[in-house]
Amino acid sequence: KAGVTQTPRYLIKTRGQQVTLSCSPISGHRSVSWYQQTPGQGLQFLFEYFSETQRNKGNFPGRFSGRQFSNSRSEMNVSTLELGDSALYLCASSLGTSGAPYEQYFGPGTRLTVT
Amino acid sequence: EDKVVQSPLSLVVHEGDTVTLNCSYEVTNFRSLLWYKQEKKAPTFLFMLTSSGIEKKSGRLSSILDKKELFSILNITATQTGDSAVYLCAVEPPGSYGNKLVFGAGTILRVKS
Repeated sequence: KAGVTQTPRYLIKTRGQQVTLSCSPISGHRSVSWYQQTPGQGLQFLFEYFSETQRNKGNFPGRFSGRQFSNSRSEMNVSTLELGDSALYLCASSLGTSGAPYEQYFGPGTRLTVT
Repeated sequence: EDKVVQSPLSLVVHEGDTVTLNCSYEVTNFRSLLWYKQEKKAPTFLFMLTSSGIEKKSGRLSSILDKKELFSILNITATQTGDSAVYLCAVEPPGSYGNKLVFGAGTILRVKS
């Protein structure tokens, strides 16, 4: 079974630009969560999508947004990039059916550098 | 605010040693506690714990949860250089329905040959 895939793997952008990252979950998984990892703040939850609906949201500004498609693939968008947005962006997928906890499996991440 | 604290922040051991990594949390009634290993990029799933006192094992790794005292430990026996990594502990808070994990800062483990 293929794992979680993320594209692109590396990205360099300039302040003020916007960026879109993509995540394809494990086949059969309906939940996709996004996390930001930085040396200073560690791994922080951005948001989670399940069946095309945002189900959970972290404490990030509105510049960070996402969506999920009917095939469970998800994209996250960051507008008006700031230097502080430089980070490793990880997505994780799980079965996600409510009522029981499920293991989350992470993708390899997208390394975003903002200059 | 939900908080997960891991200790030690880092440690260096020799091959063959046994290590115990700690995770304490200030999250009541959480749904699950998870351990991950992160080497280069993607955290790799190790264990998910939902019940107190039940040990989970996988080869040389084992983990247990104490919901009353609000902590979990991850044990690694007969360590190998391949165990060198950052070990992350995460808790799923209540009411999150899905998969909103709160992570600790991690423990950096280095195993010397």
